Amino acid sequence: GEDVEQSLFLSVREGDSSVINCTYTDSSSTYLYWYKQEPGAGLQLLTYIFSNMDMKQDQRLTVLLNKKDKHLSLRIADTQTGDSAIYFCAENNAGNMLTFGGGTRLMVKP
Amino acid sequence: DGGITQSPKYLFRKEGQNVTLSCEQNLNHDAMYWYRQDPGQGLRLIYYSQIVNDFQKGDIAEGYSVSREKKESFPLTVTSAQKNPTAFYLCASSGVYTDTQYFGPGTRLTVL
Repeated sequence: GEDVEQSLFLSVREGDSSVINCTYTDSSSTYLYWYKQEPGAGLQLLTYIFSNMDMKQDQRLTVLLNKKDKHLSLRIADTQTGDSAIYFCAENNAGNMLTFGGGTRLMVKP
Repeated sequence: DGGITQSPKYLFRKEGQNVTLSCEQNLNHDAMYWYRQDPGQGLRLIYYSQIVNDFQKGDIAEGYSVSREKKESFPLTVTSAQKNPTAFYLCASSGVYTDTQYFGPGTRLTVL
């Protein structure tokens, strides 16, 4: 079956880089997503990567995809206190059903 | 100002009562979705609708019902049959069924 796993918690200092990791199991996924959730709010789409790509960069965000190992990562450069939130990775299957990981809580210390 | 709105933001319900959560979008999206989020967990799909007047059960549909009479609206009813309804409910939409999903701000439901 489908399963998406993330580590629960990550703490970094302001100005450092953050790397949030995700593993997935559905090799038929066409897109993989990263969403950000601030307290009490909905999910904000950060970025996504098509499954035939290895890397995608968007300003401070870099997504790396290792399809062989089914491993996805999100790197946030120059992490700011406003980046503190829960980050969810999600994969879609052929029917566009999204399967979410449990979320990684990023805490940025000043 | 385009987007997805959910109301109310907070909702309290007594046990045994049905309650309806609103989701509206003005993005002209065909597909809409309802998810449930429990503390410390990811999202689980309750129902989805690919097009007006059609909807399908997700992974945890028991105790919930939906309707899709208008393209812009996808209300969710939490019935008394739902044994543990206290949760954060998120609505999403996508242009067509296979497109990227965008989320509303959520409704927090508490059963007293």
